[in-house]
Amino acid sequence: QEKVQQSPESLIVPEGAMVSLNCSFSDSASQSIWWYQQHPGKGPKALISIFSNGNKKEGRLTVYLNRASLHVSLHIKDSQPSDSAVYLCAVSSNTGYQNFYFGKGTSLTVIP
Amino acid sequence: ETAVFQTPNYHVTQVGNEVSFNCKQTLGHDTMYWYKQDSKKLLKIMFSYNNKQLIVNETVPRRFSPQSSDKAHLNLRIKSVEPEDSAVYLCASSYRLGGSYEQYFGPGTRLTVL
Repeated sequence: QEKVQQSPESLIVPEGAMVSLNCSFSDSASQSIWWYQQHPGKGPKALISIFSNGNKKEGRLTVYLNRASLHVSLHIKDSQPSDSAVYLCAVSSNTGYQNFYFGKGTSLTVIP
Repeated sequence: ETAVFQTPNYHVTQVGNEVSFNCKQTLGHDTMYWYKQDSKKLLKIMFSYNNKQLIVNETVPRRFSPQSSDKAHLNLRIKSVEPEDSAVYLCASSYRLGGSYEQYFGPGTRLTVL
């Protein structure tokens, strides 16, 4: 079973800061990696995904994937108080089915 | 915009009782899931259905059973709840986006077992 580790566990930053979140996974054959955002009392919401080595940018979000080191990172530029949430890394299984394994998440707090 | 609906929002029950949770998605997706999220926020997949067919049954106790009447509905029954079943149960559906599958989650059902 895929193992997904996220760091840090929690992060507190001032508004406007660049935020960097890390995720490592155990299976290099994993098909894709997704980042989800979860606010208290809500279900996770998909933010961005990556499949190939390299980086992908969408708005204030940039994700980097390095399959050789089994590592993916999410960077949030110009963080806002509304970005305060738990960020979950999800890695697809390599069984061919549409299953994902999640990390424990990073709790982000952006101070105004 | 919520398109994955779960009922109830909360449920408090006693050890040994049976509970049922409902999930409906209006997105037209073919695949639906049940996840369990524990107090430390770890999401673990329990079941996955594609067009009413079970395609994944991760190692969960036999007292848990999924039920699907059509591809838009996936319910979860727990036959005799135990204290360790206290958690948030999240339903999701997915569709293919490029080379991967984006999942849409419902708001969850919080179960407390006394």
